[in-house]
Amino acid sequence: DTGVSQDPRHKITKRGQNVTFRCDPISEHNRLYWYRQTLGQGPEFLTYFQNEAQLEKSRLLSDRFSAERPKGSFSTLEIQRTEQGDSAMYLCASSLVGGGIYEQYFGPGTRLTVT
Amino acid sequence: AQSVAQPEDQVNVAEGNPLTVKCTYSVSGNPYLFWYVQYPNRGLQFLLKYITGDNLVKGSYGFEAEFNKSQTSFHLKKPSALVSDSALYFCAVRDPKAAGNKLTFGGGTRVLVKP
Repeated sequence: DTGVSQDPRHKITKRGQNVTFRCDPISEHNRLYWYRQTLGQGPEFLTYFQNEAQLEKSRLLSDRFSAERPKGSFSTLEIQRTEQGDSAMYLCASSLVGGGIYEQYFGPGTRLTVT
Repeated sequence: AQSVAQPEDQVNVAEGNPLTVKCTYSVSGNPYLFWYVQYPNRGLQFLLKYITGDNLVKGSYGFEAEFNKSQTSFHLKKPSALVSDSALYFCAVRDPKAAGNKLTFGGGTRVLVKP
């Protein structure tokens, strides 16, 4: 069990550019979540997947954001036409439904800075 | 809608003294409650959870939390704080009746343990 990994750890981009982040969950976990955390705040839910199906999206996830989990394993989060307000830490988490496990395990996050 | 409040932005405590971090929640049914800790530039690390059963739950690193249904609280405690406990602590709630199991986080409490 190597934990949840995220890549890259840091990303600096200019306003208007597109960025893509990757998350690799714990291998046997069937649920994968994306959260956004701005400085001094708690994480806010963006979206989650059960296997490859995206089952819920927050109103925070504007049309410029898209997430995929094509084979039910890793996931990508793309932000198109980035804005300065997108600067935040993007956290990925995974969990296993059933078996008495209720907690989510988080990756180290990708810190996005839009200049 | 579910929500979490952490009324203290920061808690200062001397090493060796008891540590308490407060959390209150609002959820329509019986809640699932969690505490996470975050160190600088790191993801969230799971500490403990309350799902059902005993109101006092024990977790990692000597932390424990007490679920109080009448006061809708889930305060985090440690009998004897260490300097290494200095970090950002987040309380989170999940409504088990809601689809998916997204977490709603409080704003966080910074703990500073002084030698």
